[in-house]
Amino acid sequence: EAGVAQSPRYKIIEKRQSVAFWCNPISGHATLYWYQQILGQGPKLLIQFQNNGVVDDSQLPKDRFSAERLKGVDSTLKIQPAKLEDSAVYLCAGGQGGYEQYFGPGTRLTVT
Amino acid sequence: DAKTTQPTSMDCAEGRAANLPCNHSTISGNEYVYWYRQIHSQGPQYIIHGLKNNETNEMASLIITEDRKSSTLILPHATLRDTAVYYCIVNSGNNRKLIWGLGTSLAVNP
Repeated sequence: EAGVAQSPRYKIIEKRQSVAFWCNPISGHATLYWYQQILGQGPKLLIQFQNNGVVDDSQLPKDRFSAERLKGVDSTLKIQPAKLEDSAVYLCAGGQGGYEQYFGPGTRLTVT
Repeated sequence: DAKTTQPTSMDCAEGRAANLPCNHSTISGNEYVYWYRQIHSQGPQYIIHGLKNNETNEMASLIITEDRKSSTLILPHATLRDTAVYYCIVNSGNNRKLIWGLGTSLAVNP
């Protein structure tokens, strides 16, 4: 089976610019997660979707971050405007509601 | 969800067993122990999880103490490809939300 797809793999932007990341989880995975992983730290959950509904976005900085999963399949995460501290790897994961989450390779964002 | 404590780093010789400890002394009765690993520049990968009993799969074994306050992940025959950061996570499973710590950086040496 195909894995979790994410694009782009790398992105460099200047502060105050906007950026968007795309994720397509494994087919049939109703749950989708976006994580932020700063260098040297573990992933931090930003938002969790169940189909196209938001389950948890308590740690999403809503003044600048937004995410959507309109058809309950693929998802986009947007940052506008970006800050230097947003430099991180953005990971997408999917699951079937069980204990195992399947991660994509991530998008490495550098904000200069 | 309970917090976990893991050593920052460990070394293991190739072909030997790697035993990665995790302390979760505040674990409650309905909380599971999960292990994930993250190879450099890749997304995390699920390894195994357990509640009370020891578990084994094709990747590893999970040994949970009787009082459930600690556990050990065992890679029976470590290879160079097992070099990664290993995360021990405790979660009640109600919302599938995983709280990630810093993990243990395992180096498997030839």
